[in-house]
Amino acid sequence: NAGVTQTPKFQVLKTGQSMTLQCAQDMNHNSMYWYRQDPGMGLRLIYYSASEGTTDKGEVPNGYNVSRLNKREFSLRLESAAPSQTSVYFCASTRGGDSSNEQFFGPGTRLTVL
Amino acid sequence: GQSLEQPSEVTAVEGAIVQINCTYQTSGFYGLSWYQQHDGGAPTFLSYNALDGLEETGRFSSFLSRSDSYGYLLLQELQMKDSASYFCAVRISGSARQLTFGSGTQLTVLP
Repeated sequence: NAGVTQTPKFQVLKTGQSMTLQCAQDMNHNSMYWYRQDPGMGLRLIYYSASEGTTDKGEVPNGYNVSRLNKREFSLRLESAAPSQTSVYFCASTRGGDSSNEQFFGPGTRLTVL
Repeated sequence: GQSLEQPSEVTAVEGAIVQINCTYQTSGFYGLSWYQQHDGGAPTFLSYNALDGLEETGRFSSFLSRSDSYGYLLLQELQMKDSASYFCAVRISGSARQLTFGSGTQLTVLP
């Protein structure tokens, strides 16, 4: 069981470039999330997917798009990167059902936009 | 929207007890979670309270008062490895179980 995996671990982009951050989980979880964390800050929700086939905006969705490719995979796309998007990006998942509240996090992608 | 307040830093010595407080303002409150994060790594789940009262898990306990919109994380018998950032997070009602996180409390444990 790898849990939640993210690729790449590090990325440097120039302003205006695009890229896709990949996330996959092997725990058969229903819900998946993308967060960003800026230095000294908490995690802010970008987008989430309650279940396969659905996605919704979180607190800070501007400049991002997502795709829930299947139950395992949830990708985050930056169409035209900006320096303000320099951050650490975490993907997370949770099983769902009222008994489960734990979110499992991936190791993060450290993105720098020049 | 939601807002959470927690202290930015706490320092304690090994073997001591420390309490990290969290106050929140939110609509549709469902529960309060706590996560630990070491050196910018992946956050890991510590506890969840949906009902008033104390939940104990080993050296860690978490408390919730829904009427006061307040909770805390209690760490006992502190160890050096407990030095980390601790985040409270509110879960609002909804099928996606999305969380809103506080800004985090950096705990430093001194020898």
